[in-house]
Amino acid sequence: LAKTTQPISMDSYEGQEVNITCSHNNIATNDYITWYQQFPSQGPRFIIQGYKTKVTNEVASLFIPADRKSSTLSLPRVSLSDTAVYYCLVGDGSTNAGKSTFGDGTTLTVKP
Amino acid sequence: GAVVSQHPSWVICKSGTSVKIECRSLDFQATTMFWYRQFPKQSLMLMATSNEGSKATYEQGVEKDKFLINHASLTLSTLTVTSAHPEDSSFYICSARQESNQPQHFGDGTRLSIL
Repeated sequence: LAKTTQPISMDSYEGQEVNITCSHNNIATNDYITWYQQFPSQGPRFIIQGYKTKVTNEVASLFIPADRKSSTLSLPRVSLSDTAVYYCLVGDGSTNAGKSTFGDGTTLTVKP
Repeated sequence: GAVVSQHPSWVICKSGTSVKIECRSLDFQATTMFWYRQFPKQSLMLMATSNEGSKATYEQGVEKDKFLINHASLTLSTLTVTSAHPEDSSFYICSARQESNQPQHFGDGTRLSIL
């Protein structure tokens, strides 16, 4: 399983763009990259998933370089409610038994 | 879409009792379900992976006789903590995935407290 490394914590201010980078040097060919957001005492919430290049949805963008050894989650114009732990998950998407391992996550604190 | 319901959300019971936690995918069929455990201020630890109709695959160090998992249908998986003890107190979270190349969707977790 690919191990992931993220910054432990980040601070930002309301209205700013936040970029969180995840390193996954031993990502395998079949692995997808997925980002989740978790609030205290809740299950993680899916944000975005990608395999290569750039993916964008209504809440975030995901940038993946050609070598796929890292990925960057971009949150535009964060608000106080975006304060949470963000996890980068790299996992085997080739079979139904494929699993992923959570890293330590990044605690994002958005200040007014 | 992609809603996963987990029940109960919170349970307190005496040491020695067994506790069952249900995980349901409400609007999709989940070929694979996962069970995690999370301690305060820590990341999620994968306990086991289950595919519908087959036995669960447990992670190293997780006792299969202690944590019984049944994935009886494409929308329901259960985790039973047998003969629970205070050290089993934790936050248990399930997730479900429809296809192998799609993301997991998580329930809201179950806070288990063993007295």
